[in-house]
Amino acid sequence: ETGVTQSPTHLIKTRGQQVTLRCSSQSGHNTVSWYQQALGQGPQFIFQYYREEENGRGNFPPRFSGLQFPNYSSELNVNALELDDSALYLCASSNSDRSRDEQYFGPGTRLTVT
Amino acid sequence: GQSLEQPSEVTAVEGAIVQINCTYQTSGFYGLSWYQQHDGGAPTFLSYNALDGLEETGRFSSFLSRSDSYGYLLLQELQMKDSASYFCAVNTGGFKTIFGAGTRLFVKA
Repeated sequence: ETGVTQSPTHLIKTRGQQVTLRCSSQSGHNTVSWYQQALGQGPQFIFQYYREEENGRGNFPPRFSGLQFPNYSSELNVNALELDDSALYLCASSNSDRSRDEQYFGPGTRLTVT
Repeated sequence: GQSLEQPSEVTAVEGAIVQINCTYQTSGFYGLSWYQQHDGGAPTFLSYNALDGLEETGRFSSFLSRSDSYGYLLLQELQMKDSASYFCAVNTGGFKTIFGAGTRLFVKA
């Protein structure tokens, strides 16, 4: 069983630029959620995709957008980067057909905005 | 607003038992999860409670009281490798999970 993978591991961008982060879900999972984790804080929910549709969103502006593909891999896109976007971005896959809210996290992408 | 409260830090001795509490105030509640995160690592799932009571998984147990909006994670026979951050998280329904700020556990020899 393949775990959740993310790419790239680290990324440095300049304010105003755009970035795309990628996530490959665990085999058999149909749901992916994206989180932003600032240093010393808990993960903050960005949005969730289920079968290629966004079905839940946290308090993040529209410049945070995403996609889920038929193979359940996913992308997080952030436009017009701001300094406060510097954080660890985590994706988590799960199977929404099960009753337990058990999410499997990838290792994350560390984004630095300068 | 929606919030989860947990202690910021807990210190315990190797071999001891430690309890990490979590109180929550959310607009919806489907269940309470616990995750462990080592420095530089990804959160890993520990347990999930949807109903009141105690769930046991090896050295870890988790408890939920829905009427009190309260839960805890109990770690027994502490080991040095248990030093990590522990997060409680509420599935609020509406396909959204809210995490607490985390409790940093230090295990001393």
